[in-house]
Order: sequence, then C-alpha cells, then structure tokens
Amino acid sequence: SAVISQKPSRDICQRGTSLTIQCQVDSQVTMMFWYRQQPGQSLTLIATANQGSEATYESGFVIDKFPISRPNLTFSTLTVSNMSPEDSSIYLCSVDGLAGELFFGEGSRLTVL
Amino acid sequence: GENVEQHPSTLSVQEGDSAVIKCTYSDSASNYFPWYKQELGKRPQLIIDIRSNVGEKKDQRIAVTLNKTAKHFSLHITETQPEDSAVYFCAASKSFGNEKLTFGTGTRLTIIP
Repeated sequence: SAVISQKPSRDICQRGTSLTIQCQVDSQVTMMFWYRQQPGQSLTLIATANQGSEATYESGFVIDKFPISRPNLTFSTLTVSNMSPEDSSIYLCSVDGLAGELFFGEGSRLTVL
Repeated sequence: GENVEQHPSTLSVQEGDSAVIKCTYSDSASNYFPWYKQELGKRPQLIIDIRSNVGEKKDQRIAVTLNKTAKHFSLHITETQPEDSAVYFCAASKSFGNEKLTFGTGTRLTIIP
C-alpha cells in the first residue's frame, strides 16, 4: 500500500484566513483525490488532482474556495480559502493502490474559530 | 450521479455475535464496492472489496455479498470482537482505480463485551 503523509495533522484557524494542506506520497501516482469529512459525517470528494492539468471539482466545490496544486506525481496541496466555521472538518488526501483500491492519508483536522 | 444509502446508522451487538450492514446504490453502471473501517481519530482503511463479477467474497471473519439485480451489497462480520468497534463505510464506483468513489453515510458498530 502507498504511504501517504499529510501536513498539518491538525490546526486551529481564525475566520477569514486560508490554510494549505500538503500531501506527499511515497510513489508516483496518476491521480490524487481530496476528500472532506465533516464531524460525524461521511466522506465527500472535493476534487481530483491530476499532474499537469487543472483539478476536477465535484458539484458544490469551487476552485476559488479550494485551490489545488499538483506540481509532480508524488505531491499535492489543497488550500481552504477564506475559512468560516463551516469549513471545520477533516480533509483527507487519497491515492489509488496498485490494484485500484483507495488509500487515505491520516487526514488534517481543521477547526475554524 | 451515484447515490449510496447505508443502514443501520448505529448497531450494537454482543461480542461473539454477527453483525450485518447493508448498502444500496443507484447507478447500475457501478461495479466496484469497497468497505472501509474507521476507528476513532484514524483514517479510513479498506477492509474488503468486491467487484461485480462475483457475488460473494470472504476474508476470515469478514464477508461481503453483492446482488447486482437488486443493487445492494452487505458486509457480514462473524464472531465479533471488541476491536471490531468502529465506523464502517460502504462505497461504490464504476470501476476501481482513478474513478470517483461515492460513500455511504456510515454505520457506527459497537461490540458489547
């Protein structure tokens, strides 16, 4: 399975600020996926990040709010912009394994005050 | 798009008994169905998956069954142990690898010693 490292693991942020989450994988992967898990809820896909092209966003998520970078095949960042308390969630980076199964990073727990 | 429903939302079983969690999906084109276990404060981890070319798959105490006609699949845990206590998520996608996973709402399983 892929080893996925996320930073920060948790943070407390002020309303109106932005935070960038980093995701590093120990092997090259074509696609990286960013999920959000609100408190006590399921996982919702925010966007799919492809190397060399713009990310593909799911309904309800926009690039201005969640800009994504994918500079190479092992790294991606997700920025949560102009945060409000409603953005308090766990943000998870994920990648496909060799057999196509999805592996998740440890997640970044954001609390917005 | 795909919609995955999961029942029950909470389940308590006596240690040693069996637990069953059920999911239904809406998109008949879906053909990959993984199950994830998420312990408190941890990342979701894949525990078993099934593809549409089989009706059942078993791995020790865990089994998954799939009924493509009825568009539902189930997770069966036998001889439950306290360490089985977690939140379980089902998911569905049109293939494995580089395809969007749609998750169910989750089932909080509690094993009573």
